[in-house]
Amino acid sequence: GAVVSQHPSWVICKSGTSVKIECRSLDFQATTMFWYRQFPKQSLMLMATSNEGSKATYEQGVEKDKFLINHASLTLSTLTVTSAHPEDSSFYICSARRQNKDSPLHFGNGTRLTVT
Amino acid sequence: AQSVAQPEDQVNVAEGNPLTVKCTYSVSGNPYLFWYVQYPNRGLQFLLKYITGDNLVKGSYGFEAEFNKSQTSFHLKKPSALVSDSALYFCAVRDLTGTASKLTFGTGTRLQVTL
Repeated sequence: GAVVSQHPSWVICKSGTSVKIECRSLDFQATTMFWYRQFPKQSLMLMATSNEGSKATYEQGVEKDKFLINHASLTLSTLTVTSAHPEDSSFYICSARRQNKDSPLHFGNGTRLTVT
Repeated sequence: AQSVAQPEDQVNVAEGNPLTVKCTYSVSGNPYLFWYVQYPNRGLQFLLKYITGDNLVKGSYGFEAEFNKSQTSFHLKKPSALVSDSALYFCAVRDLTGTASKLTFGTGTRLQVTL
């Protein structure tokens, strides 16, 4: 099956620093990737849709200048949390779908971000 | 707008017994329906999907789900639960006829299988 690799799996950083999370589709090309945020005991909240070669589409209420998304190739999307604050601590998950519109989303294993 | 409801925060079942995790949905057009499972500190794993065809869909690890259009439901089932099935389960929907490609997830149901 399709594999999506997300790195790092966990990161601890200090307030004010920036953190980059990578999402790679290992065995297929993904023109679109999705970034989610999951709070404890809650569902996944879609943050943005990452489009290869163009700007990401952000969901309402998500700060695009804080959560920078770059989709530079058909197999890589990055999410950079800029000037992180403790309230940004969360579990971030990326996903990708093959170009066949009937295909399910394939998820990375997530990144646990802790901002101290 | 599309939405998904998972009315149970947690489902408890003894190993060997059948399990059902409930899901109802709302879309304006025809639905794509999915079930995913999440283990602690991991991403989501795809279990099964319904697009068209037979209302009973079989998926990974012995799970199946039944699509019921009149009740707008897509309950997840397994005839005989295993302790290793204990995890968080998410139902999701996407509007087949719309242009949006976003999935909408339910709030998740924690399945606890005990010996």
